[in-house]
Amino acid sequence: GENVEQHPSTLSVQEGDSAVIKCTYSDSASNYFPWYKQELGKRPQLIIDIRSNVGEKKDQRIAVTLNKTAKHFSLHITETQPEDSAVYFCAASKVQAGTALIFGKGTTLSVSS
Amino acid sequence: SQTIHQWPATLVQPVGSPLSLECTVEGTSNPNLYWYRQAAGRGLQLLFYSVGIGQISSEVPQNLSASRPQDRQFILSSKKLLLSDSGFYLCAWSSLSGNTIYFGEGSWLTVV
Repeated sequence: GENVEQHPSTLSVQEGDSAVIKCTYSDSASNYFPWYKQELGKRPQLIIDIRSNVGEKKDQRIAVTLNKTAKHFSLHITETQPEDSAVYFCAASKVQAGTALIFGKGTTLSVSS
Repeated sequence: SQTIHQWPATLVQPVGSPLSLECTVEGTSNPNLYWYRQAAGRGLQLLFYSVGIGQISSEVPQNLSASRPQDRQFILSSKKLLLSDSGFYLCAWSSLSGNTIYFGEGSWLTVV
């Protein structure tokens, strides 16, 4: 089955810096890669996703890149703000009915002002 | 719009006691339903998922079980809780043909 590795487990940046979180996956058939943000004590919420027919996707300060050959994808946050502090999870799955998302172990991002 | 409800929000249970967590989805039909567990430092672990009534796939062998008695209802159970069952349990749903999953608010379980 699918296995997703996520690095780093913790990341501390200064406000205004960029943050990058990287994930690798094992199943070459996976073609859907979402990112979730979880604030303390709350449920994870989808912030951006990418499908394998796209190499990069941006949404304001957030971008995700995908390298299918190397089986890795990354989350990039530019101009970080204190409210970006949270746990971020990457995930992977096939686009197929009944296929569950497999998540990485998460990255705790701390943005200090 | 679709909503997902999960309860109870928190519970403290003694070792060896039973467990029942319930989840319902509104505003959609034939959803895929999931149970995930989040323990400290272990990310989001998939426990069970269901593509229809009575259809349950188990990802992790353990003393937990899941049932789907109705289309939009998903229940997580245990006959005898272990200390290691403590964690944050999240129910989630996706559309029948979709992959994006949406989480419920979660249930904090502490086994003492």
